[in-house]
Amino acid sequence: AQKITQTQPGMFVQEKEAVTLDCTYDTSDPSYGLFWYKQPSSGEMIFLIYQGSYDQQNATEGRYSLNFQKARKSANLVISASQLGDSAMYFCAMRETNTGNQFYFGTGTSLTVIP
Amino acid sequence: SQTIHQWPATLVQPVGSPLSLECTVEGTSNPNLYWYRQAAGRGLQLLFYSVGIGQISSEVPQNLSASRPQDRQFILSSKKLLLSDSGFYLCAWSVRYPPREQYFGPGTRLTVT
Repeated sequence: AQKITQTQPGMFVQEKEAVTLDCTYDTSDPSYGLFWYKQPSSGEMIFLIYQGSYDQQNATEGRYSLNFQKARKSANLVISASQLGDSAMYFCAMRETNTGNQFYFGTGTSLTVIP
Repeated sequence: SQTIHQWPATLVQPVGSPLSLECTVEGTSNPNLYWYRQAAGRGLQLLFYSVGIGQISSEVPQNLSASRPQDRQFILSSKKLLLSDSGFYLCAWSVRYPPREQYFGPGTRLTVT
């Protein structure tokens, strides 16, 4: 089974609007971390946000927030007030405490911000 | 602060030639180190990871090998490149514990001709 599933190959959003990128995960480890990365056309992988499985509150980092629904095993990324520079590939990832060393990545979502 | 370096940035190599990509991390000790490959328009494929000097785990049977001769140095190698080895190679590091994020180098674009 896939550890991380991103079902949206491509998304479009109007500039200044909010957008939600979906991510579901599969693990039996009670302790894990969830991450989102941004990959612009230059290729660099930029870490955006982290959510721990025991965190009570949803993580936020500036315009990024992570909508963490543990029972549904979902970790959606919300980008508020989209900007043209947000156009990129976005990857969801997970790291389990028990395995500790491997990161599992989704297939990514391509986001295009329309002016 | 920690930084991660990768070189070269781009590489064009003929089929059958050897390969050596290097990755070094500064500002941290005992990191976990990773090599990923990304085909054009695709996701990340984990190739190797290392939790210490000389300790390498291979995730996918490949034409590639990895070595960690020093704590903060990770090398990806091949004796004979194949066309299918073309791609974008990313090195990354993370702390051992807690299970927090990993940070990526700038990547190497490899084209095998």
